[in-house]
Amino acid sequence: NAGVMQNPRHLVRRRGQEARLRCSPMKGHSHVYWYRQLPEEGLKFMVYLQKENIIDESGMPKERFSAEFPKEGPSILRIQQVVRGDSAAYFCASHGAGISRETQYFGPGTRLLVL
Amino acid sequence: AQTVTQSQPEMSVQEAETVTLSCTYDTSESNYYLFWYKQPPSRQMILVIRQEAYKQQNATENRFSVNFQKAAKSFSLKISDSQLGDTAMYFCAFMDDFGNEKLTFGTGTRLTIIP
Repeated sequence: NAGVMQNPRHLVRRRGQEARLRCSPMKGHSHVYWYRQLPEEGLKFMVYLQKENIIDESGMPKERFSAEFPKEGPSILRIQQVVRGDSAAYFCASHGAGISRETQYFGPGTRLLVL
Repeated sequence: AQTVTQSQPEMSVQEAETVTLSCTYDTSESNYYLFWYKQPPSRQMILVIRQEAYKQQNATENRFSVNFQKAAKSFSLKISDSQLGDTAMYFCAFMDDFGNEKLTFGTGTRLTIIP
């Protein structure tokens, strides 16, 4: 039973380029969360999605960042016109429904480096 | 808004000894969940232990146990018979019970097990 998958694991972009980060939740999970971890800090919530719906984007910067979780395929976190301050590890987590909803399973993360 | 505080940025302990990591949180809610996650050098986020606030009994998972003091809003993690593989960052996290299961993390404690 595959866990949460994220790709790419490492991504290098130059300032002004676009970054697209992908997350495939665990099989059977329809709830996806994105978190950002800046160097030497804890994880900070960005956005919570269910299939085809954004439930809570209160942690997402208002500009340049967007997220989607289509009916088919992985969840995508998109960062347009990246800046050096976007360099961080981006983690995706998923959980199921019902009594298992309290436990989130994390992917390995995508390390974004902006040059 | 909920906050999670980890007041010990770094700790070290000899192999086979017991160590306790501290965590306090602030919330006005009566029902919620608390977690400890481990982040080894690989940076994968690994769930260590989970506690439901409505349960008075402290959670245990093999060598890991918690001391949950609801009135004091304290949630410490005890690692017994520490092993070299326990070397990692440890994050305390909070989740409320309102149907949005986003996690609020503390800033982490870097634990080093000394051979």
